[in-house]
Amino acid sequence: GENVEQHPSTLSVQEGDSAVIKCTYSDSASNYFPWYKQELGKRPQLIIDIRSNVGEKKDQRIAVTLNKTAKHFSLHITETQPEDSAVYFCAAWGDTGRRALTFGSGTRLQVQP
Amino acid sequence: GAVVSQHPSRVICKSGTSVKIECRSLDFQATTMFWYRQFPKQSLMLMATSNEGSKATYEQGVEKDKFLINHASLTLSTLTVTSAHPEDSSFYICSAGENIQYFGAGTRLSVL
Repeated sequence: GENVEQHPSTLSVQEGDSAVIKCTYSDSASNYFPWYKQELGKRPQLIIDIRSNVGEKKDQRIAVTLNKTAKHFSLHITETQPEDSAVYFCAAWGDTGRRALTFGSGTRLQVQP
Repeated sequence: GAVVSQHPSRVICKSGTSVKIECRSLDFQATTMFWYRQFPKQSLMLMATSNEGSKATYEQGVEKDKFLINHASLTLSTLTVTSAHPEDSSFYICSAGENIQYFGAGTRLSVL
């Protein structure tokens, strides 16, 4: 089945700096890669996603890149703000076998004011 | 975006009792819903895939007789934790959608 690895597990940046979180996946059949932000005790919120036919997608301060050949994708947050502090999860959706999301282990982002 | 409602948000129960959690898709039909468990400071682990009108598909290591799933309509799936024990205490969360998953607010279960 799919295996998603995520790094780093914790990330501390100064306000205004950029943050990058990286994930790799194992199943070449996976075709959808969302990123979720989860605040303590709350539900995961979709912040951006990318499909396998696209290499990059951007939404204001957030961007995601996908390298299908290497089977890795990354989240980029620019001009970080304290309210960006949360746990971020990457995930991969497989379209064969088990059709479900497999989540990475999460990255705790702390933006220091 | 689409809305998924989950109830209750918090349950405290005695060991040995059963607890039912509901997950509803409010503005779309969901033939498939997913149930996850999340322990503190850990990721979401898929427990089972709930299939409308048929049996749920459980992930390896998840006891189907302990975590009963019913998906009787296109908008409702229920997870029943039977004979709950302290080790079942966790954050249970459901999701629904095609590719894009919309999550319920989660249920924090505390078994005393």
